[in-house]
Amino acid sequence: DTAVSQTPKYLVTQMGNDKSIKCEQNLGHDTMYWYKQDSKKFLKIMFSYNNKELIINETVPNRFSPKSPDKAHLNLHINSLELGDSAVYFCASSPRSEYGYTFGSGTRLTVV
Amino acid sequence: GESVGLHLPTLSVQEGDNSIINCAYSNSASDYFIWYKQESGKGPQFIIDIRSNMDKRQGQRVTVLLNKTVKHLSLQIAATQPGDSAVYFCAENNPTGTYKYIFGTGTRLKVLA
Repeated sequence: DTAVSQTPKYLVTQMGNDKSIKCEQNLGHDTMYWYKQDSKKFLKIMFSYNNKELIINETVPNRFSPKSPDKAHLNLHINSLELGDSAVYFCASSPRSEYGYTFGSGTRLTVV
Repeated sequence: GESVGLHLPTLSVQEGDNSIINCAYSNSASDYFIWYKQESGKGPQFIIDIRSNMDKRQGQRVTVLLNKTVKHLSLQIAATQPGDSAVYFCAENNPTGTYKYIFGTGTRLKVLA
């Protein structure tokens, strides 16, 4: 069983489209995250939810909207996609803040 | 601004040799640190952690050293193997109470046969 699963693994779309990435964890963790990894491998946090409550919202364009229907799921919806949104997006979860994350395998988003 | 680590360098090591990967962190109040390994096409994977009340922690073939005086972390890999080839990240826990880790820019480790 995959602990943190993201879908889709690859996403190629045109500028201006709206797309969603889904994430599910079966670890029973309370906290979930979205990270963006750019072409230079730099990882930067975007959002964090604890038990369905938004607790971190970094400086991210409001075209990005996370949604957590329950504590096992954290989805990311992106409106009006731009070329600069091309990156790998990682979902992660942790039991509490003082523990490390378990990451998903990533979603490679390419905007053309 | 927040910063951990250096620009992405590459470390090339002969198979069987020891590897040392370094990381600088910026927040002297950070109290928990983790090393992650990211293989190609995969998400980062937890390797080893250390709390600020320790200066050394050992795992299987890996050792993490913490020098709080100079805000420096290192990851030592003994008897490096081809499977160790990956990008390695250090991360520090933001001690302000928000659930956020700050990641370094990573080091690519290449193991030469």
